[in-house]
Formats: sequence, C-alpha cells, structure tokens
Amino acid sequence: DVKVTQSSRYLVKRTGEKVFLECVQDMDHENMFWYRQDPGLGLRLIYFSYDVKMKEKGDIPEGYSVSREKKERFSLILESASTNQTSMYLCASIQPGPVYNEQFFGPGTRLTVL
Amino acid sequence: GQNIDQPTEMTATEGAIVQINCTYQTSGFNGLFWYQQHAGEAPTFLSYNVLDGLEEKGRFSSFLSRSKGYSYLLLKELQMKDSASYLCAVIGKTDKLIFGTGTRLQVFP
Repeated sequence: DVKVTQSSRYLVKRTGEKVFLECVQDMDHENMFWYRQDPGLGLRLIYFSYDVKMKEKGDIPEGYSVSREKKERFSLILESASTNQTSMYLCASIQPGPVYNEQFFGPGTRLTVL
Repeated sequence: GQNIDQPTEMTATEGAIVQINCTYQTSGFNGLFWYQQHAGEAPTFLSYNVLDGLEEKGRFSSFLSRSKGYSYLLLKELQMKDSASYLCAVIGKTDKLIFGTGTRLQVFP
C-alpha cells in the first residue's frame, strides 16, 4: 500500500554540504510538491512540478533547487545547507484538477543542519 | 493575496463535540481540504469539499460556504487519539494546496 516514499526519515548534515532529498510516488500523478514545516509556520511550499522536467517556484524557493527527470521521482536539493534549513521536509503528490482526490504525503524527512 | 486563518489551539473533553473553523481568502477556488497530523507524522487526508454544504464521514464532518469563505471541521464523540493538529488547505486553479498554520487540538479525559 506504499504511495509516496521519501529516501530518509532522519538526516543530519553539516553547514555547506550539498543535500539531496528524494521522493517517489507510485500513483502516476503529474503533480508533485515539496514543503517544509516549522512550528508556528505551518506547511510552506518550496517547489512544485506539473510534469517531467517542469518545475515552478513556490513561496520559499531560496536556497533550494529541484529535479524531475522521471514522472514518479521528484528530488529536492539544498546546494549548500545552512542551519536555517533545519526543518521537516514533506513531499506530496496529487492528480490535476479541476476535481480533486486527496493529496498524498510522504512520511517526511527531518533534516538537521549542524 | 491568499490568506487562510484557523485558531492556533483548542482543547476539548473526551466524548464531547468540537468545531474547528477555517476562513480563507484566495484568488481562485477549486476546493478545501482538511488534514489531520499527529506529532512527528505526515498529514493524513480527512475531507475535500468543493460544493457548499455539510459532508459527513463517520465521526468527522466538514462544512463549506464558498460565499462566506468559511469552512469548519466537526469532530464528534471525541477520543484521546483525536489529539492532533488539524490543517485547513485551499486549492486554487493552479493545483497547489495552500495551507493554514493548523489548529492543535488537545483532548482531555
């Protein structure tokens, strides 16, 4: 019953390291998203993708990039990790509208940058 | 702009009924979602409303008024396991869910 998986549940990295967070979904969804979640700030959209090789900036894209080479896989890249990127990262996918079913979330990756 | 408001925290007693409100202002509207999120876990889907009215699903119901930009999630016969954060999210024309900051519900015995 696996739907959205993320490569790591917990990750510890050092400042300046390049970090890759991988997300895979098995529902053949076109739309995939990366969020970060911080206490008191809710879920904030970093990047999203509507199709292979397509990407669009969300509300907080600074310091991040993404890659979507295959439909099922959406990667989030921290080019040079900083301590303010310590957060919970959630990947999600949903079929396009205008009528929607649920948006499925992965289990999340808790990233700590030292 | 886009704005979604919901209370930060609520408390209730086991067996009681609680209503969590959500108001929104968005530039496009294709529906409203409610998610439940336990601490340290991913959000799980509760409901999706696109038409006005009440939708019931077991102990949980969700209401939508598009003209008022208002929704609520109603939880009946509260159980301890209902202690969680409840997230309201609106989806617009661009297939993106915009989330509120969530309401943390604590259920006491």
